[in-house]
Amino acid sequence: DAKTTQPNSMESNEEEPVHLPCNHSTISGTDYIHWYRQLPSQGPEYVIHGLTSNVNNRMASLAIAEDRKSSTLILHRATLRDAAVYYCILRDNDKIIFGKGTRLHILP
Amino acid sequence: DADVTQTPRNRITKTGKRIMLECSQTKGHDRMYWYRQDPGLGLRLIYYSFDVKDINKGEISDGYSVSRQAQAKFSLSLESAIPNQTALYFCATSGSGGPYNEQFFGPGTRLTVL
Repeated sequence: DAKTTQPNSMESNEEEPVHLPCNHSTISGTDYIHWYRQLPSQGPEYVIHGLTSNVNNRMASLAIAEDRKSSTLILHRATLRDAAVYYCILRDNDKIIFGKGTRLHILP
Repeated sequence: DADVTQTPRNRITKTGKRIMLECSQTKGHDRMYWYRQDPGLGLRLIYYSFDVKDINKGEISDGYSVSRQAQAKFSLSLESAIPNQTALYFCATSGSGGPYNEQFFGPGTRLTVL
């Protein structure tokens, strides 16, 4: 499975946008880019996924580089409830391989 | 009511004991998964099942076994628990196959093996 690289931690101020980067230089043509997040004391939850084009949903936006070797999860207006570990994952089958993710701290 | 439930939520046991963790889902999904999470790390896949008659090993299946009793139920057993199996265990489900389908996770079971 192709690997992803994410910063260990990031901080952001409440009500400001947050850009969470992910590098995946060995991505294959069939890999989907997924993001999950894990709130404190909870199981992971799906955030968004994409293949080649940028994607938007009610939770976030996903910006995918033209060469697909990197992507950015965008939270448009962070709230305290967005403090979590965010996982960037490549999938070409049913299995999810989790890395260590980025711990996002939101400052009030 | 939660779509994916796990019992027990917390369990403390002793080395050598047999432990069963249970997972139930009301989403009508065929695919179910068991993961473990160690402190500061991401989740690792233990076993997964695509339907009632299908069981597959994940990354770290040694020391574990599973049973898919029905579409809605998937149990994880530790035949003889050891301290390094102390971890947070998550069950997950997904609908039809493919790399684009999201997985839905339960709340987790915190297992401590003394």
